[in-house]
Amino acid sequence: GAVVSQHPSRVICKSGTSVKIECRSLDFQATTMFWYRQFPKKSLMLMATSNEGSKATYEQGVEKDKFLINHASLTLSTLTVTSAHPEDSSFYICSAVTDPAEGYTFGSGTRLTVV
Amino acid sequence: AQKVTQAQTEISVVEKEDVTLDCVYETRDTTYYLFWYKQPPSGELVFLIRRNSFDEQNEISGRYSWNFQKSTSSFNFTITASQVVDSAVYFCALGSGNTGKLIFGQGTTLQVKP
Repeated sequence: GAVVSQHPSRVICKSGTSVKIECRSLDFQATTMFWYRQFPKKSLMLMATSNEGSKATYEQGVEKDKFLINHASLTLSTLTVTSAHPEDSSFYICSAVTDPAEGYTFGSGTRLTVV
Repeated sequence: AQKVTQAQTEISVVEKEDVTLDCVYETRDTTYYLFWYKQPPSGELVFLIRRNSFDEQNEISGRYSWNFQKSTSSFNFTITASQVVDSAVYFCALGSGNTGKLIFGQGTTLQVKP
């Protein structure tokens, strides 16, 4: 079946640095990828939608300059958390889709801790 | 706008009890997709079921069953004879047939005690 590889699974970084999270569709081409953020014991909040070759569309309240999304190819989308601060610590998870009727494939998630 | 409501934040049952997790959704799309996912402590989302808006047929898979009622905009999930391994957070999600966006409900934490 469809597989999405997300790396890294865990990352600890210092406050003020930037962190890049990669999401790759391994055996299919994803026209659209979604990025979610999840706080402890909370729901998955949609951050942005990225389509290959075009700018990401961010949900209301999400800082696009803080969370840079690039979808350079049909198999790779990246989320860069810029100038990270402790409040950016969270669980980030990506999802890739070609046709919603066929379902969404999720990465395994990245647990970011900013110290 | 799309919305998914899981009114039950936490449910605790004793093993072998049946339990139903509620999900109510809102959408203006005529075509949409409903999902249930399980999230164990590791964080990965485990896909359980997908239902298209034009297919109201209920489904049973082992101890799991789903009841899709368009008239009440509900997509409830029942676990029969619950087991300790069923303990997890369960999310109901709604996918737009128009934008493709998938949004999640608040999640229900199920604890099954031995």
